[in-house]
Amino acid sequence: AQTVTQSQPEMSVQEAETVTLSCTYDTSESDYYLFWYKQPPSRQMILVIRQEAYKQQNATENRFSVNFQKAAKSFSLKISDSQLGDAAMYFCAYRGREGAQKLVFGQGTRLTINP
Amino acid sequence: DAGVTQSPTHLIKTRGQQVTLRCSPKSGHDTVSWYQQALGQGPQFIFQYYEEEERQRGNFPDRFSGHQFPNYSSELNVNALWLGDSALYLCASSPGLAGGLYNEQFFGPGTRLTVL
Repeated sequence: AQTVTQSQPEMSVQEAETVTLSCTYDTSESDYYLFWYKQPPSRQMILVIRQEAYKQQNATENRFSVNFQKAAKSFSLKISDSQLGDAAMYFCAYRGREGAQKLVFGQGTRLTINP
Repeated sequence: DAGVTQSPTHLIKTRGQQVTLRCSPKSGHDTVSWYQQALGQGPQFIFQYYEEEERQRGNFPDRFSGHQFPNYSSELNVNALWLGDSALYLCASSPGLAGGLYNEQFFGPGTRLTVL
């Protein structure tokens, strides 16, 4: 079974600075997707960024980028120029070919932005 | 586009009771998945419905059951509630199994269930 681990329960960063959230996963599959979701206090889970395992190029979405290390099974999220609206729970998630629609989530990292 | 909607927003039940939660998928989506998110934890997959059938199930007991209607909306039923069922229940919809890995799941705001 696939597992996702987020080892940082909480992180904080000064507004306008850069922060990196860590995620590792375990799988025997070669074809899969990795995701970062944001869950603000409103509870709505919002997709931040996604990475396809067969693509070597790291995904980027505006201020959000990932560092995908397939051999190390590592998938970190970098947030540049942090904004107050970035404060939320961040979840790393895995979705593989086995059980193609099922998302496997990590435990989450609570990100605080200090003004 | 209303996105994924869920009702009710909050619910309080007592142990042993039964509960039904409802989900309407995003327009154009025909696949609905349900997740349980305990306080301070990541969501756990319960099951998924497509074409009115349960297609995949996570590690949840038979007390958890569901249904999908012809309009693609879905219900999650939990029988014999116990304290451990207290959680945020999230519904997610996607445009169908045919898209495979690429299909993004869109989440609703959830239903907060408290069991006393």
